[in-house]
Amino acid sequence: GENVEQHPSTLSVQEGDSAVIKCTYSDSASNYFPWYKQELGKRPQLIIDIRSNVGEKKDQRIAVTLNKTAKHFSLHITETQPEDSAVYFCAAGPFGNEKLTFGTGTRLTIIP
Amino acid sequence: DVKVTQSSRYLVKRTGEKVFLECVQDMDHENMFWYRQDPGLGLRLIYFSYDVKMKEKGDIPEGYSVSREKKERFSLILESASTNQTSMYLCASNPQGSYEQYFGPGTRLTVT
Repeated sequence: GENVEQHPSTLSVQEGDSAVIKCTYSDSASNYFPWYKQELGKRPQLIIDIRSNVGEKKDQRIAVTLNKTAKHFSLHITETQPEDSAVYFCAAGPFGNEKLTFGTGTRLTIIP
Repeated sequence: DVKVTQSSRYLVKRTGEKVFLECVQDMDHENMFWYRQDPGLGLRLIYFSYDVKMKEKGDIPEGYSVSREKKERFSLILESASTNQTSMYLCASNPQGSYEQYFGPGTRLTVT
């Protein structure tokens, strides 16, 4: 089955700086890669996703890049703000199958 | 607006008890999922269901069973609760063919 590794497990960033979280996956059949954000005490929510036919996707201050050859994808947050503090999960899944395998999560702390 | 609800936010049970966790979604979604969330381990899939009375094992099904008698409701059953099942349990749903999963608020289960 799919195995998703996520690094780092914790990340502290000065407000205004950029944050990068990286994930690798094992199953070459995976072609859907979402990122979920979970604020303290709240449920995970999708913030951005990418499919394998695209190398990069951007939505305001967040972007995701995908390298299918190397089987890794990354979340980039620019101009970080205090409300970006949360746990972020990457995931991978095969197209046509709604089941996802999640990474172990990254706790991002933005230092004011 | 998608709404996924879980029967309890907090639950305390004794070792050996039979425990039922209920999840209800109001968006007529075909797929429903049960995860457990543990620090450092991320979200791990226990079971999922893609239709009424249909179920499939996830990555960690041991010690759990599920029931889906109605489309909107997906129950997770711990036949004989053990202390290593102390965890946060998250339910999620999505429509067939879609990949974004909508999560419930979670049930924090403590088994003493």
